[in-house]
Amino acid sequence: LAKTTQPISMDSYEGQEVNITCSHNNIATNDYITWYQQFPSQGPRFIIQGYKTKVTNEVASLFIPADRKSSTLSLPRVSLSDTAVYYCLVGFYTGGFKTIFGAGTRLFVKA
Amino acid sequence: NAGVTQTPKFQVLKTGQSMTLQCAQDMNHNSMYWYRQDPGMGLRLIYYSASEGTTDKGEVPNGYNVSRLNKREFSLRLESAAPSQTSVYFCASMELGYTFGSGTRLTVV
Repeated sequence: LAKTTQPISMDSYEGQEVNITCSHNNIATNDYITWYQQFPSQGPRFIIQGYKTKVTNEVASLFIPADRKSSTLSLPRVSLSDTAVYYCLVGFYTGGFKTIFGAGTRLFVKA
Repeated sequence: NAGVTQTPKFQVLKTGQSMTLQCAQDMNHNSMYWYRQDPGMGLRLIYYSASEGTTDKGEVPNGYNVSRLNKREFSLRLESAAPSQTSVYFCASMELGYTFGSGTRLTVV
């Protein structure tokens, strides 16, 4: 199982772009990188998933360098409602998917 | 609404009591999961079921049992609750990514 390392916490201001980097040095060839967002008292929510290069959806962008040993979640123009914990997961779904959730990154957006 | 439904939302047990947490999904996903989350921590996998009729242990299975009743339902049972099992329990199903339920907040006194 690939282990991930993220910053414990980050602060930002409304309207700024936030980049959260995740390190996953032992990522396997078949592994995908997935990011989740969790608000207090709720289950994590899928944000974005990628394998290589760049993926963008209506919520975020995910940048993955060629060696795939790290990835960066980019949140454009954050608002107060983006205050949450963000988790980076690495793994490959084969019908059973044992992944490790680290402690995640606590993002606090200030007014 | 499509998704994962967990019951109950809150529960208080006395040490030694038993209970079953229920989980159902209506997305026709094959795999289902039970996680626990302690305050300020990430999620830890208790058990998972890759498909109907199969279950497997995760990181922290001791003190728990599971049943994959059918494709929709995956229950978690605490046979003899202990204070160390005080936590928030999340059920999830997966296709390309996890879909989590809203959680069960369990307190064992």
